[in-house]
Amino acid sequence: GDSVTQMEGPVTLSEEAFLTINCTYTATGYPSLFWYVQYPGEGLQLLLKATKADDKGSNKGFEATYRKETTSFHLEKGSVQVSDSAVYFCALSNSNSGYALNFGKGTSLLVTP
Amino acid sequence: DARVTQTPRHKVTEMGQEVTMRCQPILGHNTVFWYRQTMMQGLELLAYFRNRAPLDDSGMPKDRFSAEMPDATLATLKIQPSEPRDSAVYFCASGPGQGQGSPLHFGNGTRLTVT
Repeated sequence: GDSVTQMEGPVTLSEEAFLTINCTYTATGYPSLFWYVQYPGEGLQLLLKATKADDKGSNKGFEATYRKETTSFHLEKGSVQVSDSAVYFCALSNSNSGYALNFGKGTSLLVTP
Repeated sequence: DARVTQTPRHKVTEMGQEVTMRCQPILGHNTVFWYRQTMMQGLELLAYFRNRAPLDDSGMPKDRFSAEMPDATLATLKIQPSEPRDSAVYFCASGPGQGQGSPLHFGNGTRLTVT
């Protein structure tokens, strides 16, 4: 079945550092890919998405490119802020699962001043 | 700003008691999903509905869990009897059902503690 693998955290960075969180997937067909972010005590919020190969999703300085050849959707940000501290989830949606999201385990990010 | 509303936010109960969690999806969304989040397992899909009809509940322990949508504005997840291993955060999410590129919108969850 479909699956998503994320790099394990926690990831600790200093403010203004460059962020990469790796995500790879296994899926049949042509899934859509998402990054969600979860702040403490809250639900998941959509950060960005890409629906086909070579699409780049971007939001709030975060970017991820849908790479079908490497089955990857790595999240990047050029300069992180303390407010970016949260848990980040990579997910995929496929037509064969009723559009349910299949999530990775999540990567905790802590940004220090 | 439309949002998914879940109640209660927190629930503490004793083993063996019935627990009911409620979710109000975003108006106009026709797909509703229930997820469970634990440290060990991460986010697990329990069940989902489209146009109020259950499509898949294979992620739920059938003997004690049940999910329903009495109407388009309410989804419920019930556990009877509850057990300590059910302690987790339960999230409801809704979506417009416009294809696999449509993102899901999550509520803030119900944190369940079973003692």
